[in-house]
Amino acid sequence: ETGVTQSPTHLIKTRGQQVTLRCSSQSGHNTVSWYQQALGQGPQFIFQYYREEENGRGNFPPRFSGLQFPNYSSELNVNALELDDSALYLCASRLTGNYGYTFGSGTRLTVV
Amino acid sequence: AQSVTQLDSQVPVFEEAPVELRCNYSSSVSVYLFWYVQYPNQGLQLLLKYLSGSTLVESINGFEAEFNKSQTSFHLRKPSVHISDTAEYFCAVSDPYDYKLSFGAGTTVTVRA
Repeated sequence: ETGVTQSPTHLIKTRGQQVTLRCSSQSGHNTVSWYQQALGQGPQFIFQYYREEENGRGNFPPRFSGLQFPNYSSELNVNALELDDSALYLCASRLTGNYGYTFGSGTRLTVV
Repeated sequence: AQSVTQLDSQVPVFEEAPVELRCNYSSSVSVYLFWYVQYPNQGLQLLLKYLSGSTLVESINGFEAEFNKSQTSFHLRKPSVHISDTAEYFCAVSDPYDYKLSFGAGTTVTVRA
């Protein structure tokens, strides 16, 4: 198993800019979820993709969007960045029917 | 809607002492329950999970948690902690039909020699 790999590990962006975060899941893990973890808080569910379709979304505005690709990689895109978007973004993947999510180490995004 | 309350934000404990991390949840449906651990600058690692069956679940590194439906709790315990158990611990809940995890705010465990 290769685990879940996220890139970049750290990123600094200016308010109003756009950012793309990437995740590479384990082979066969066709469900991927993204979470936002603000400092000192638990992770918050952003959305989930199954077989390249979004099939669940948390309380996040449309400027948070995603893509999932056939090679088990995925992206989280955030437009019009705000200071409050500063957080650790976690990608998690799993096999369908298996509740064992595997999390990546995250991307630390700082918006200045 | 589901929510999770972790009753202790910080738990200092001496090495080889027992520790209990408290977690309560609210949900209108049956639930799946999880404990995750996060070491500094790392992602989340699954510690243990309750899906069904025995209400007492154990991990390979000595942690255990008990599902108590009447008290809507899923407290995590370890009889003897090590320095390496210093980390942040998150309780999470999901329902069987919605795979999204709802997390608590976390409990920071600091083990001192």
